[in-house]
Amino acid sequence: ETGVTQTPRHLVMGMTNKKSLKCEQHLGHNAMYWYKQSAKKPLELMFVYNFKEQTENNSVPSRFSPECPNSSHLFLHLHTLQPEDSALYLCASSQEAQRGDLQETQYFGPGTRLLVL
Amino acid sequence: AQSVTQPDIHITVSEGASLELRCNYSYGATPYLFWYVQSPGQGLQLLLKYFSGDTLVQGIKGFEAEFKRSQSSFNLRKPSVHWSDAAEYFCAVVTYGQNFVFGPGTRLSVLP
Repeated sequence: ETGVTQTPRHLVMGMTNKKSLKCEQHLGHNAMYWYKQSAKKPLELMFVYNFKEQTENNSVPSRFSPECPNSSHLFLHLHTLQPEDSALYLCASSQEAQRGDLQETQYFGPGTRLLVL
Repeated sequence: AQSVTQPDIHITVSEGASLELRCNYSYGATPYLFWYVQSPGQGLQLLLKYFSGDTLVQGIKGFEAEFKRSQSSFNLRKPSVHWSDAAEYFCAVVTYGQNFVFGPGTRLSVLP
């Protein structure tokens, strides 16, 4: 499944570093999502972008900063992270029309495994 | 509040045995329902989905799921499990105006 790609696949960073995660979807979708998956915890929705506009921010700390320059690309900028931010970060996309409509099937990328030292 | 439960955290079955993974939801309206599978270190892959119509839906890799409105359930089944089915399985639901809600997952181990 290469519809949604994520780079890098693995990332190790110190708490003072700045790095970015990239997600690209080749499915013609207009909604994109960032999820955090930690061990033994359910998937946590972080951000939602619909037609390049952020429509959801689930109380995510400001050390995570999303960017959606167009409907095919989504970034997650990271700075001054904490060890508890170590997790698998998953990007997903879906076809979405109007806000409040039913979200269509989400398609996921392979994730970026992040380790914060 | 809407919620999705998967009562079994970990299930172990022998190869060739049948499988049923449980999913229950709590919603005011009829949701749309999904099952995803995640292999170690990978993203989530869609197995199947239910939007409307026949309550028994077929998916990839020989999986099927049955929507039972009266029980608020959407259980995943497979008649004969293969070693390659060992993975984590997530049930998810969505309704109008809401984001996807994922269950906590069930980890499947397969014995040779």
